[in-house]
Amino acid sequence: NAGVTQTPKFRVLKTGQSMTLLCAQDMNHEYMYWYRQDPGMGLRLIHYSVGEGTTAKGEVPDGYNVSRLKKQNFLLGLESAAPSQTSVYFCASRLYGGQGNYEQYFGPGTRLTVT
Amino acid sequence: SQQGEEDPQALSIQEGENATMNCSYKTSINNLQWYRQNSGRGLVHLILIRSNEREKHSGRLRVTLDTSKKSSSLLITASRAADTASYFCATVGPGTYKYIFGTGTRLKVLA
Repeated sequence: NAGVTQTPKFRVLKTGQSMTLLCAQDMNHEYMYWYRQDPGMGLRLIHYSVGEGTTAKGEVPDGYNVSRLKKQNFLLGLESAAPSQTSVYFCASRLYGGQGNYEQYFGPGTRLTVT
Repeated sequence: SQQGEEDPQALSIQEGENATMNCSYKTSINNLQWYRQNSGRGLVHLILIRSNEREKHSGRLRVTLDTSKKSSSLLITASRAADTASYFCATVGPGTYKYIFGTGTRLKVLA
């Protein structure tokens, strides 16, 4: 049981390049989230998904797109990277909230630098 | 920004002492959670308190919630060097799937 995994762990991009971050979970969780963490800012929600085939915007969605084609995977895309997107990106998942399960499980993070 | 705020931003104590950190939030909540983040790692869930609860305990952790003041506190008793980490509160509003995180408290426990 690997929990939540993220690929890649580190990446350096040039301004204007694109990339996709992959999040995978093996806990059969319904909900998945993408956050970015910047110094002194805590975590800010980028996009989230409440089930396969569904996505919704969070607090800071501009410049990012997401897809959830399979329940276990949640992809975060940067179409044209900008230096302001330099950050640490975390994926999280949780069970369906109907059972009162609100605990999020986090991946180890992806450190992205855009030059 | 809807982000919550935590204070202090940083806290340094001796091993064996108690550590208290506070979280303030802006909107009504269904529950409030505390997470720990070790340097360079993902967050780990510690404890959850619901909006109709005032206090909750888990091992050396004690959480209080005052919804009238929109604030919560996390007390870690008998701190250990292994408790050195950043601590974040996160709130979930009624009928929402979103989490709003605070800015975090960096705790350093000196051996």
